[in-house]
Parts: sequence; C-alpha cells; structure tokens
Amino acid sequence: SQQGEEDPQALSIQEGENATMNCSYKTSINNLQWYRQNSGRGLVHLILIRSNEREKHSGRLRVTLDTSKKSSSLLITASRAADTASYFCATDGGSEKLVFGKGTKLTVNP
Amino acid sequence: GAVVSQHPSWVICKSGTSVKIECRSLDFQATTMFWYRQFPKQSLMLMATSNEGSKATYEQGVEKDKFLINHASLTLSTLTVTSAHPEDSSFYICSARGASGSGDEQFFGPGTRLTVL
Repeated sequence: SQQGEEDPQALSIQEGENATMNCSYKTSINNLQWYRQNSGRGLVHLILIRSNEREKHSGRLRVTLDTSKKSSSLLITASRAADTASYFCATDGGSEKLVFGKGTKLTVNP
Repeated sequence: GAVVSQHPSWVICKSGTSVKIECRSLDFQATTMFWYRQFPKQSLMLMATSNEGSKATYEQGVEKDKFLINHASLTLSTLTVTSAHPEDSSFYICSARGASGSGDEQFFGPGTRLTVL
C-alpha cells in the first residue's frame, strides 16, 4: 500500500524561485528517501535521511524530517528549468521494501 | 555511483506473447532486486522482491505465474511477462540493493516501457 503522500500534487514556479514539496507517511521508518523522475525515465536518488536525523543538505536540496508528525519536506532552492520533473518520497516502513508516494509534479518555467 | 541497467528500454509486442526484461547491476553485487510497475501519471507500485538464489516474494495482487522473476546471479534479475495483454502495458522499473551493510539505498534502472497491442 502507498503510505507516502506528497503535496502538492503539482507545483508550477518561475526559475529562481524556491520549491517546497511535502511528504507524509503513516508507519515507523528507518529512513526516508527522495527521488526525482524525469518524464518517461527511471528514478534518480536525491537524498536519504535517517529517522534520527532532522535535516540534511545536498547542494540546492534541503530535506527535513519530523518523525513526530511523520512528515518530511524537500526544498529546492534557486530552481532551474532543468529541475522540472516529478519528485517522490519513499519510506521503508521498517523493512527493506520502499513504499512510494504519489509524487509532486514540479514545473519550473524559464 | 552504482549503476543499474535494464534491457530493453522499450518493447512492443502482440497480445499473447511473452516478454523478458533484464535488470543488471553493473558495478556491484545485488543481493536483492525489486521490480516495480508504474502506470502513466501514477507512482511506482512494488510488484515483487527478488533475492539471489531464492524464489521471489510477490506483493498482494500480483500474479506470480504471469510475472515470472528469476534472480540467477548477483548481477542479473529477469522479469518475464507471460501471455501479455494490453492491460499489462506499463513502465517496468527494477532496483537493486547491495549486500547487507552496504547501505539502505536502492539504485534504480532506467525502466522498460512495455506496450502490448
């Protein structure tokens, strides 16, 4: 079953603006991961944050995790047209299996 | 970084035929591989988990006799869609995970688009 739920489902912004996507989940986790998928392509791993971490950075990406609220956010700063893609969170639910959310489709307009 | 390949990248077949999709880990040994299916504008749904040398574990609602999975080596898993029908048309993605202790990350292949006429 899908336990990760992203919002918004779609987000359209201008180049240079920041994009924030949120993910909520239902069960306990060991870690939460964010992936990017360009249209019709495979998934690109962006960042993994463990349950004992609250924030993690990677380049223009900033991920937060609030285990008390069972939620995570992905912030992309200074967005570029090339960031246009769908973004998915995935949780492990305490097992090796990943459960993906429905994704946020981000469009960055030049 | 770890690389996972899939072959073919796309395939068109007639209804009733069988299609085999390969998933290879190119630079690491994958003790576990996962097969997902993604319908247009939807998320990835896990179909099955495949461990090298043992039978695959299928998710609820996935027909094991229709979607045959073989994980014969530490670098190769195959998914065979038997007697394919138009409703099997989808994007199939595999992922691979290394040996225990090598991290929690799954590395994804580029996907295979199957179209059944």
